[in-house]
Amino acid sequence: DAGVIQSPRHEVTEMGQEVTLRCKPISGHDYLFWYRQTMMRGLELLIYFNNNVPIDDSGMPEDRFSAKMPNASFSTLKIQPSEPRDSAVYFCASSFHQTGSNTGELFFGEGSRLTVL
Amino acid sequence: AQSVTQPDIHITVSEGASLELRCNYSYGATPYLFWYVQSPGQGLQLLLKYFSGDTLVQGIKGFEAEFKRSQSSFNLRKPSVHWSDAAEYFCAVGGRTYKYIFGTGTRLKVLA
Repeated sequence: DAGVIQSPRHEVTEMGQEVTLRCKPISGHDYLFWYRQTMMRGLELLIYFNNNVPIDDSGMPEDRFSAKMPNASFSTLKIQPSEPRDSAVYFCASSFHQTGSNTGELFFGEGSRLTVL
Repeated sequence: AQSVTQPDIHITVSEGASLELRCNYSYGATPYLFWYVQSPGQGLQLLLKYFSGDTLVQGIKGFEAEFKRSQSSFNLRKPSVHWSDAAEYFCAVGGRTYKYIFGTGTRLKVLA
């Protein structure tokens, strides 16, 4: 089975440009998460969705960041305008939540490494 | 406040030696605890998890971890390390929601 698929794997852009990161979760999973990983701050949860609905976006750093999940098989994380401090690895993860319980396991994609010059 | 502390940023062990990676957490309710491993350029993979029950949990690749409530710890162990275990290891804590808090990671180096 295919895992979580993210694109692009690497993105280099200039400050001020719009960046769009994409994620295809594992089929049948009902939770989707966006994380950001940096050396300074480690792994931070930005936002997560349940059944395509955003549940908690308190980790989104600024209004420049937005995320959407138009359907169960696709999500985007957009940064507009991008800044050098946004340089990081962005991970998408998905999970399946059995009725009444948290199964716990997050399945991570390989990440999108963003460099903003 | 919820937090996870991994006090060791780097650990170096010889192949065949035993390993223990430390994890301490702060959480207001009964925690769900996890260990993930990340190889270079890859995403995180779940090694093991603790929700309830037996405090010694077994995971993949020969890893185990022990939940000690009195010490707020969930240390990861392996009796004999293989060169392929070199990676970064993350401890995480959460609850019935999915707001998991990850530690800053411990990078393991294995000497031949």
